[in-house]
Amino acid sequence: AQTVTQSQPEMSVQEAETVTLSCTYDTSENNYYLFWYKQPPSRQMILVIRQEAYKQQNATENRFSVNFQKAAKSFSLKISDSQLGDTAMYFCAFMTTGTASKLTFGTGTRLQVTL
Amino acid sequence: EAGVAQSPRYKIIEKRQSVAFWCNPISGHATLYWYQQILGQGPKLLIQFQNNGVVDDSQLPKDRFSAERLKGVDSTLKIQPAKLEDSAVYLCASSEGDRWNTEAFFGQGTRLTVV
Repeated sequence: AQTVTQSQPEMSVQEAETVTLSCTYDTSENNYYLFWYKQPPSRQMILVIRQEAYKQQNATENRFSVNFQKAAKSFSLKISDSQLGDTAMYFCAFMTTGTASKLTFGTGTRLQVTL
Repeated sequence: EAGVAQSPRYKIIEKRQSVAFWCNPISGHATLYWYQQILGQGPKLLIQFQNNGVVDDSQLPKDRFSAERLKGVDSTLKIQPAKLEDSAVYLCASSEGDRWNTEAFFGQGTRLTVV
């Protein structure tokens, strides 16, 4: 079974600064996907960024980038130039490959962006 | 492309009553997930369908929860009888479900309050 651990329940960052959210996971699989989802107060889960485990290059999406360390089973999210709209819960998630993929979430990190 | 639709958005019931939630996934998506998200926690998978078959229901409290996926499309999740600890947001998600699938799309969820 896969487990996902987010050790930071809450984080705070000032607008325009950079923040890094941590995530570790445990699996015996070699191929899988990792995701960061954002959940604002509206409750809609929004995909922020994804990483395929077979790719060595870290994924980037505009101000969002990841540091994927496969051997260490670590998958952190860096948010650059933080904006007030980035305030939300952030969930790290793990997905197995193949049909009927299983999607497992961490416990989340509440990020507050302040002026 | 229409997203995942869920209804109702909110529901308040008394303990021991029954309640049902409805989910319409994205057209063509074979995999459908129901998650329970208790306040302040990450989503926990209750049940996963691949087309109209159950892939994983290991965390579904089967003495009170039931779910079905009609003709491999819409799905309903029922709780009977409800307990106070069932108060949570119930999220439905869907994905293409093929071996190259890499993303699950979420509905806005149903917030259930049991009093």
